[in-house]
Amino acid sequence: GAVVSQHPSWVICKSGTSVKIECRSLDFQATTMFWYRQFPKQSLMLMATSNEGSKATYEQGVEKDKFLINHASLTLSTLTVTSAHPEDSSFYICSANTGYSNQPQHFGDGTRLSIL
Amino acid sequence: GDSVTQMEGPVTLSEEAFLTINCTYTATGYPSLFWYVQYPGEGLQLLLKATKADDKGSNKGFEATYRKETTSFHLEKGSVQVSDSAVYFCALSDRGGNEKLTFGTGTRLTIIP
Repeated sequence: GAVVSQHPSWVICKSGTSVKIECRSLDFQATTMFWYRQFPKQSLMLMATSNEGSKATYEQGVEKDKFLINHASLTLSTLTVTSAHPEDSSFYICSANTGYSNQPQHFGDGTRLSIL
Repeated sequence: GDSVTQMEGPVTLSEEAFLTINCTYTATGYPSLFWYVQYPGEGLQLLLKATKADDKGSNKGFEATYRKETTSFHLEKGSVQVSDSAVYFCALSDRGGNEKLTFGTGTRLTIIP
């Protein structure tokens, strides 16, 4: 079945560092990818919708200059957390849309980001 | 806006017990409803879905019925197994599931032998 690969699965870095997370659709073309954030014991919150070749659409309250999203090809979207601080520590999950209305989204395994 | 309220966990059951995880929603229009499952160390997987009122989604012995009158989509299984231990998420989408999803908080289920 369709697979979405997310990398890295875990990253620890110092405050002030920028961190890039990749989301790849391995065997299908994803016109749309979604980025979610999950706080401990809370639900997944949609951060932004990423469309190939155009600017991402951010949800209310999400800083677009803080969380840079690039969807340069039909199989790759990246989320860059710029100048990360401890409050950015979280679990980030991407999903990819196959483009067919009768098919579900496919999720990556998530990236645990810890900022020291 | 849209929201999903899900039974808080954790839930611990013995093998072969009956399972119910409650889920209610608030949405404008007629959303599609989903249950996703996240097994330890893995990503989210679609467990089942229902796209209109009175539809029943089912998979792997799990069932959930779209109840418009009570705005609910409770997950049930008649006899759980140890392998069902996972985190379960209820979710809704305005457009069939290929668009953005609104998730509940997730319920961690542990089945003991």
